[in-house]
Amino acid sequence: ETGVTQTPRHLVMGMTNKKSLKCEQHLGHNAMYWYKQSAKKPLELMFVYNFKEQTENNSVPSRFSPECPNSSHLFLHLHTLQPEDSALYLCASSPKRGDQETQYFGPGTRLLVL
Amino acid sequence: GQNIDQPTEMTATEGAIVQINCTYQTSGFNGLFWYQQHAGEAPTFLSYNVLDGFEEKGRFSSFLSRSKGYSYLLLKELQMKDSASYLCAFMDSNYQLIWGAGTKLIIKP
Repeated sequence: ETGVTQTPRHLVMGMTNKKSLKCEQHLGHNAMYWYKQSAKKPLELMFVYNFKEQTENNSVPSRFSPECPNSSHLFLHLHTLQPEDSALYLCASSPKRGDQETQYFGPGTRLLVL
Repeated sequence: GQNIDQPTEMTATEGAIVQINCTYQTSGFNGLFWYQQHAGEAPTFLSYNVLDGFEEKGRFSSFLSRSKGYSYLLLKELQMKDSASYLCAFMDSNYQLIWGAGTKLIIKP
């Protein structure tokens, strides 16, 4: 299944580093999402883009900065992260936001902040 | 308020049947989803229910009762590859998915 791809799959970074996560969807969808998944916790929605416009930011700290240059690509720029930000970051897409649409997920980036 | 609950972990035997329950509370409802997630992999869509009743899809089936705020996922003829986490999520009135913490299913031979 290569509908939604994410790179890198694993990332280790120090608290002073700057890195970016990339997501690409090949499904022709118009909505893209970033989620954070921590062990034994529910998925936390971070950001939503619909037709390249950011529609939601769920009180995410400014050290996380999303970018959506087109409907197929989504980035998450990271800087001065904290150890508690270590988690699995999942990207998802759906046909559009605001309807009863199924979301399709990428395999995630496992992030470790030292 | 909104909340959703599912068991943390369940164990079942290969070849058997297991039912994973999910209860939720919300004022606005646009359907309930089940996803399967193997360790280190993407959650994959299993089922969507928006009307009351039972929907069968091969070895996996799902049930919804909106009046009771209750759903379950039924897995039949369990195979070792079914060992995974099963995520329940409802879609609220803003079309946002509210997720449970997942049920880790362990299949024993």
